[in-house]
Amino acid sequence: GENVEQHPSTLSVQEGDSAVIKCTYSDSASNYFPWYKQELGKRPQLIIDIRSNVGEKKDQRIAVTLNKTAKHFSLHITETQPEDSAVYFCAASYGSTLGRLYFGRGTQLTVWP
Amino acid sequence: GAVVSQHPSRVICKSGTSVKIECRSLDFQATTMFWYRQFPKQSLMLMATSNEGSKATYEQGVEKDKFLINHASLTLSTLTVTSAHPEDSSFYICSAAPQGGTSYEQYFGPGTRLTVT
Repeated sequence: GENVEQHPSTLSVQEGDSAVIKCTYSDSASNYFPWYKQELGKRPQLIIDIRSNVGEKKDQRIAVTLNKTAKHFSLHITETQPEDSAVYFCAASYGSTLGRLYFGRGTQLTVWP
Repeated sequence: GAVVSQHPSRVICKSGTSVKIECRSLDFQATTMFWYRQFPKQSLMLMATSNEGSKATYEQGVEKDKFLINHASLTLSTLTVTSAHPEDSSFYICSAAPQGGTSYEQYFGPGTRLTVT
């Protein structure tokens, strides 16, 4: 199956600063790359996603970039706020609209006020 | 939006017993659902793909005889952990996508916390 690597495992930033989380994937057939935010004991929440036919996508303070050649994608959060503190997971999927998701190990983001 | 529920939310069972977890899509039909396991402070690990009306597809290393999956209808998949042991204690989460949808987004259930004593 797909192998997704995620870095860093922990990230601390000051409120207002930017945060960047990076992921790589192994299967060139992967074509869907979502990012999830998970709070303790709760379900993952989709915050942004990108398909392989797009290089960048932005939604307010959150953006995702994809480099298909290098097989890596990144999450960018600008103007971070304390409520952004959570665990963030990247994932990769291939196949149809019902493709299996393979997750990275997660990044614990802490935003200090 | 699409809603997925799970039942129970928490369950404690004794070692050697079996536990059934239900995953339901409340407002859409799903021919395919997915089951994940998440140990504390770890990632979500895909266990199996549940297919309505046919056998589940298990990921490498997941014992199909221990984790029985049944997908009897377009809105319900069940995961049964048979002969549970303490090492099976984990957070089990399902996901589903609307049948015939064009979005790649999957909708996750709230998870089931299993504790085996």
